[in-house]
Amino acid sequence: AQSVTQPDIHITVSEGASLELRCNYSYGATPYLFWYVQSPGQGLQLLLKYFSGDTLVQGIKGFEAEFKRSQSSFNLRKPSVHWSDAAEYFCAVGAGQTGANNLFFGTGTRLTVIP
Amino acid sequence: GAVVSQHPSRVICKSGTSVKIECRSLDFQATTMFWYRQFPKQSLMLMATSNEGSKATYEQGVEKDKFLINHASLTLSTLTVTSAHPEDSSFYICSASQGGHGYTFGSGTRLTVV
Repeated sequence: AQSVTQPDIHITVSEGASLELRCNYSYGATPYLFWYVQSPGQGLQLLLKYFSGDTLVQGIKGFEAEFKRSQSSFNLRKPSVHWSDAAEYFCAVGAGQTGANNLFFGTGTRLTVIP
Repeated sequence: GAVVSQHPSRVICKSGTSVKIECRSLDFQATTMFWYRQFPKQSLMLMATSNEGSKATYEQGVEKDKFLINHASLTLSTLTVTSAHPEDSSFYICSASQGGHGYTFGSGTRLTVV
């Protein structure tokens, strides 16, 4: 069965510092991996996704993620955090990109950015 | 890009009444839509998978008679919370499949039952 683990419930970083949010997944086949961001009271916005090909994926807002099959990880990174990045971040794994199957979400990591 | 519109964004209703939430794909057709529920400071939990023209598939523990899902067209799925109770208060989010391009989420509906 699919599962997603986000080990860090809450992370605080200073503005301008680098960021890495961890995500580990469990899935029996080739995973389709996603990172979403959610601002308070809002829906989810897709940051990036990995379906195949290059394991380093570039997303919006300066985010990137690297798929490491050997570690079953898909960590999200940003070299320099902005105050507007403060939000909840969710990693998700899907059984396919066609949408026939739902996404399984991690529990989320709340990012706080301090001046 | 693909847009999913969810309406209303907020609704307050009295206990015992029913509330309908709409999820529309604005610029693409979605044969499959998903309904999630999110409790405060928690992750999204899949409630059901909505398939156009057929019955929804509910996750274990989700009452199908309480959470009615209708997917009458390729661009619209609705979730009706029937006989709502305070414990149904939550944040409900829909998503729609874009085929080979992944999933797009609505902006969510904050339901408060008083």
